[in-house]
Formats: sequence, C-alpha cells, structure tokens
Amino acid sequence: NAGVTQTPKFQVLKTGQSMTLQCAQDMNHEYMSWYRQDPGMGLRLIHYSVGAGITDQGEVPNGYNVSRSTTEDFPLRLLSAAPSQTSVYFCASSFQGLNAFFGQGTRLTVV
Amino acid sequence: GESVGLHLPTLSVQEGDNSIINCAYSNSASDYFIWYKQESGKGPQFIIDIRSNMDKRQGQRVTVLLNKTVKHLSLQIAATQPGDSAVYFCAERAVYNQGGKLIFGQGTELSVKP
Repeated sequence: NAGVTQTPKFQVLKTGQSMTLQCAQDMNHEYMSWYRQDPGMGLRLIHYSVGAGITDQGEVPNGYNVSRSTTEDFPLRLLSAAPSQTSVYFCASSFQGLNAFFGQGTRLTVV
Repeated sequence: GESVGLHLPTLSVQEGDNSIINCAYSNSASDYFIWYKQESGKGPQFIIDIRSNMDKRQGQRVTVLLNKTVKHLSLQIAATQPGDSAVYFCAERAVYNQGGKLIFGQGTELSVKP
C-alpha cells in the first residue's frame, strides 16, 4: 500500500516555465488537497477536491491550477513559475476530511 | 504555541521528561482537530485526533486536550524520546467545510536532549 505518492521529489524551474506536480493515492479517498510550506511556517492550502470532477480554491490559489479527472490523481499545475513559488509542496488525501495522509513532498526552486 | 514570521516556537526537553505543546485555534465552529509530527525532509505524519464533542483523547504515549472555551488545544507526550524531536503542527477543520480543508498552525519545534 503506497499511500500518497508525489513526483518529482525535487525540481528546479526557470521563471516563466510551466510544470505539473503529480499526486496519486491508492486509498480510494475522495478528498485530496495541495499545500505549500515555506520556511518556518505551517502548511497553507492551495486547492482541494472533494471528489472526481470537483475542485475548489484554498488560501493561496493564485498561479496554480488543478483538475480531478479520477479519484486517484490530483495534479497541480504551475502556469508560469515565479520565484515566489519556491516552496515545498505537499499533497494529502483523506476520508471525509478526517486524518489526512500526506505525501513526502516536492521541493521546488524557481530561479 | 503560535508565532508570526520565520521563527518557530521551540520547546527543549530532557529525554524522559513529559512534553506539552500548545496550540490556539482560530475558529469556534471547528469540529475536528489533528496533531501532526513532521520530521526534517518528510511529510506531516498523523499523531492523534479529537472531535469537538470530546475534551481529552489518549493514544500511545500521547494525549490531546481540547478546551473549546478558550479555543486551545494541547499535545502531551509522555517520557519524551530523542525520536520525538520534530516540528509539531495542530490543524483544525471548520464544521461548515467538508472539503478536507484543514487549517494548520505554524508549528512548534520540539528538541529532545539525551
């Protein structure tokens, strides 16, 4: 049972480039979320989804897009990377919003 | 506790002592709370949770206390071990929000001295 799997683990982008962070879970959870974590801070919610075909914005959605075509996958797209998006990104899944399981994170640097 | 800015609150304890980590939550409508442990370079890991209709819940070496009157949550770790060294986050879920939308505190760094 893999839980929540994020790829890649590390990524360096140039300003203006786009990319997609992948997230997959094998627990059949309907709820999935993306967070970013900056040094010395807690996690801030970017986008979340309560099921396939349903997404909504969190606290810091600007510059990011998501889609949820299947229960298992919840990719996060950076449309035009900016240095302010340098962060560690975590994907999480849960059953009805309880006890969220987190992936190991993607460390993104935008230069 | 909570802090603003880049410096996490730090709690330093001796191995074998009990640790108490505090958290003030923001929304009186929150119905569910979780404590997470995050080790360096890893994702947050579930420790224990509690619903708003409870005041106390115990796990293995950990206890969570909830005081809804003052919107305060605490995590007690008994007989703290070096492996407990990590950053601890509390998270709350507002009752009107069913989307797995947890709001996290800024975290407390626990340092255990052998």
